[in-house]
Amino acid sequence: ETGVTQTPRHLVMGMTNKKSLKCEQHLGHNAMYWYKQSAKKPLELMFVYSLEERVENNSVPSRFSPECPNSSHLFLHLHTLQPEDSALYLCASSRRTPRVPTYNEQFFGPGTRLTVL
Amino acid sequence: DQQVKQNSPSLSVQEGRISILNCDYTNSMFDYFLWYKKYPAEGPTFLISISSIKDKNEDGRFTVFLNKSAKHLSLHIVPSQPGDSAVYFCAAINNAGNNRKLIWGLGTSLAVNP
Repeated sequence: ETGVTQTPRHLVMGMTNKKSLKCEQHLGHNAMYWYKQSAKKPLELMFVYSLEERVENNSVPSRFSPECPNSSHLFLHLHTLQPEDSALYLCASSRRTPRVPTYNEQFFGPGTRLTVL
Repeated sequence: DQQVKQNSPSLSVQEGRISILNCDYTNSMFDYFLWYKKYPAEGPTFLISISSIKDKNEDGRFTVFLNKSAKHLSLHIVPSQPGDSAVYFCAAINNAGNNRKLIWGLGTSLAVNP
């Protein structure tokens, strides 16, 4: 148990559906991240939030829309996804240094296994 | 182009022996390196790290060695235990740069056999 929870653990959706992934951290961290892990590819950073402000968006298609209402919760809203978006989506959190998020030691949730039909 | 490479997708070791997982990187600006461990159906868990100002960091059975001239680091597990069976990810970061994000390797799946 890392102190980071993700729901749902598994999600199957059609290309026209709208769904949301949820992440919650109980560690008192104030930076949160979304990663995508596809087969045979390294972990890809999608979004970073520091003090609820989005500080990084790594050229992610607009069909992925993050939301960070407070420092403990992070959402990833999904809309009109493609089959190639099927992957493991991981949430992570970390402490934030005064200037920028501390990327070094991140605590990960178990992930949501997403399948797009 | 992968900046962090783990060239061995898998490794099998006998219980009690040493496990050596290797990682190579191409960006000489990386100044901090981390190893994460991942069990099936769980997210990665931080294991051990090393700053570029050091060449060795030890934590119990885990030791990470850094060879900056060769742009190579390795994780040694001694003695290996069946519970160490997992996927191990190497990651690196350039803390002084503008784009301060972790760059990950593909992982090495370690199997420790009883």
